[in-house]
Amino acid sequence: AQSVTQPDIHITVSEGASLELRCNYSYGATPYLFWYVQSPGQGLQLLLKYFSGDTLVQGIKGFEAEFKRSQSSFNLRKPSVHWSDAAEYFCAVGAPGNTGKLIFGQGTTLQVKP
Amino acid sequence: DVKVTQSSRYLVKRTGEKVFLECVQDMDHENMFWYRQDPGLGLRLIYFSYDVKMKEKGDIPEGYSVSREKKERFSLILESASTNQTSMYLCASPPPGSTDTQYFGPGTRLTVL
Repeated sequence: AQSVTQPDIHITVSEGASLELRCNYSYGATPYLFWYVQSPGQGLQLLLKYFSGDTLVQGIKGFEAEFKRSQSSFNLRKPSVHWSDAAEYFCAVGAPGNTGKLIFGQGTTLQVKP
Repeated sequence: DVKVTQSSRYLVKRTGEKVFLECVQDMDHENMFWYRQDPGLGLRLIYFSYDVKMKEKGDIPEGYSVSREKKERFSLILESASTNQTSMYLCASPPPGSTDTQYFGPGTRLTVL
């Protein structure tokens, strides 16, 4: 069965430091992969997505993610974190069948220290 | 601007009540989804619909039902609310095909007392 694991429930980084959020997936075929962000009191916003091609994907707000098939990973990175990046981050994989169904990871809460 | 709207942002109900959560999309999409979001569990799919009057169970359908009488509206029904259904409920609607962005509503935070 398809699944997504985000090993880190909470992460705290200092403002200006680099960030990497981990995501591992289990999927039988080439996955469609997504990262979403949910700021406090806000809805889910798509940061970036991977379907095929270049394994390094650029997203909004200075985020990027790298698809590594050999490691079944799709980690999210940002070189310099801003206080406004404090939020909950979700990795998701598109389920087979072309329905638009997503399977989400457990989420990682990012806290940014001044 | 595309939109998915949900009827309430916050809702408080009592155990045993019948609860309706409404979701409306203005994008003429066939597919619509209901997820619930709980801390440490991420988003889990309750039900989805791929056409009017069509529905399929997701991963956690127990205690819920749905209704899709019109293409733009997808309702989630808690037949007899229980305290373990206290959660954030998110409606979503993707364009055709799983390769594109899924649009989410703002969510309804339901508290069952």
